[in-house]
Amino acid sequence: SYVLTQPPSVSVAPGKTARITCGGNNIGSKSVHWYQQKPGQAPVLVIYYDSDRPSGIPERFSGSNSGNTATLTISRVEAGDEADYYCQVWDSSSDLWVFGGGTKLTVL
Amino acid sequence: EVQLVESGGGLVKPGGSLRLSCAASGFTFSSYSMNWVRQAPGKGLEWVSSISSSSSYIYYADSVKGRFTISRDNAKNSLYLQMNSLRAEDTAVYYCARDPGGQIPAASDYWGQGTLVTVSS
Repeated sequence: SYVLTQPPSVSVAPGKTARITCGGNNIGSKSVHWYQQKPGQAPVLVIYYDSDRPSGIPERFSGSNSGNTATLTISRVEAGDEADYYCQVWDSSSDLWVFGGGTKLTVL
Repeated sequence: EVQLVESGGGLVKPGGSLRLSCAASGFTFSSYSMNWVRQAPGKGLEWVSSISSSSSYIYYADSVKGRFTISRDNAKNSLYLQMNSLRAEDTAVYYCARDPGGQIPAASDYWGQGTLVTVSS
């Protein structure tokens, strides 16, 4: 089955740029979605179809996808961005949704 | 305002059954696919099942196939998950989520707050 690999944790200072990767075999050929989840809360969609932003999501959040790696980039990181982030794809070869293991973003 | 409210969670013994419901409001329920996603305590997100707007397309994770059944009632704006032969590893918060996709699921753009299912003797 298709596997998505995320780093368990990423740390960044306020005001800097955080990059969270999501690795998968030829992931560039798939559409990647990203979710943010804060403790005790439901996930929130922050990026869909690789790089589109839902209404209400700050422009500081952006996404890219190429080759074997998709990346969620958060510019000018704020304390409120501290959360778990998950990538997700639809694996059409098996008709399964797949989530990455999640990355905990810590704002120093 | 889009609202998704899950219910039906609780404590159940291994081998038992439970039926989760998700009441939808604030959008045209019959036009959207819906998903169930779960999260075991302290763990990551795990997709469970998806159903298209007219129930024509239904998908299950391998971990629940043959035990869980997803369904919907568009007249009642409701989504369901019938869970049978429950195991300890099914213990999780279960979220329902709206999906603008059709035959092929897209992203889940709205989520409920979840309902906790605990499988324990």
